[in-house]
Amino acid sequence: AQKVTQAQTEISVVEKEDVTLDCVYETRDTTYYLFWYKQPPSGELVFLIRRNSFDEQNEISGRYSWNFQKSTSSFNFTITASQVVDSAVYFCALNSGGGADGLTFGKGTHLIIQP
Amino acid sequence: SQTIHQWPATLVQPVGSPLSLECTVEGTSNPNLYWYRQAAGRGLQLLFYSVGIGQISSEVPQNLSASRPQDRQFILSSKKLLLSDSGFYLCAWSKRRNAEAFFGQGTRLTVV
Repeated sequence: AQKVTQAQTEISVVEKEDVTLDCVYETRDTTYYLFWYKQPPSGELVFLIRRNSFDEQNEISGRYSWNFQKSTSSFNFTITASQVVDSAVYFCALNSGGGADGLTFGKGTHLIIQP
Repeated sequence: SQTIHQWPATLVQPVGSPLSLECTVEGTSNPNLYWYRQAAGRGLQLLFYSVGIGQISSEVPQNLSASRPQDRQFILSSKKLLLSDSGFYLCAWSKRRNAEAFFGQGTRLTVV
């Protein structure tokens, strides 16, 4: 069985602060894929990033960065210099290489950026 | 470019009534298709996925069913809705197994 835990239910910061969203995963597979999605108030999920289990390089995309550490089974997401438009629910998800297709999601972290 | 359409956006149905939600994908062929449900305050749960026409895999036993009558069409159905079927239903597609999935705008279903 696989599982994704996002322990932070809600985070509130002031605009321009940096914020890190935590994600811890569990899987018995050696090949797996990790994802982050953003869900704005409109409800549609927006894809942010996909990483496979063999690539532990950290990734940066503008103000977004991701830290993948297999040793701690974590795939954390940092937003630098946060903006009000970053306010949304963020989901971490896992898809193992074998077994059923489809994503296993965490419960999400509601990020509130205050002006 | 690929697009995914899902309708209706909102739906209010009485208990015991049937349900049909439709999802279509444009701009790609032979996509993997998925139905997810998001209950209030919870993450998304995979309900069904399909790798081809007529091929449906169910992840959660319930009174819902899915069908894929055409390559880029995915339908979620129920013969008799329950109160517990209320939620936000999202259709998604991906190019292949383990690839990133792209989601529709969702259907907010309220069973009364």
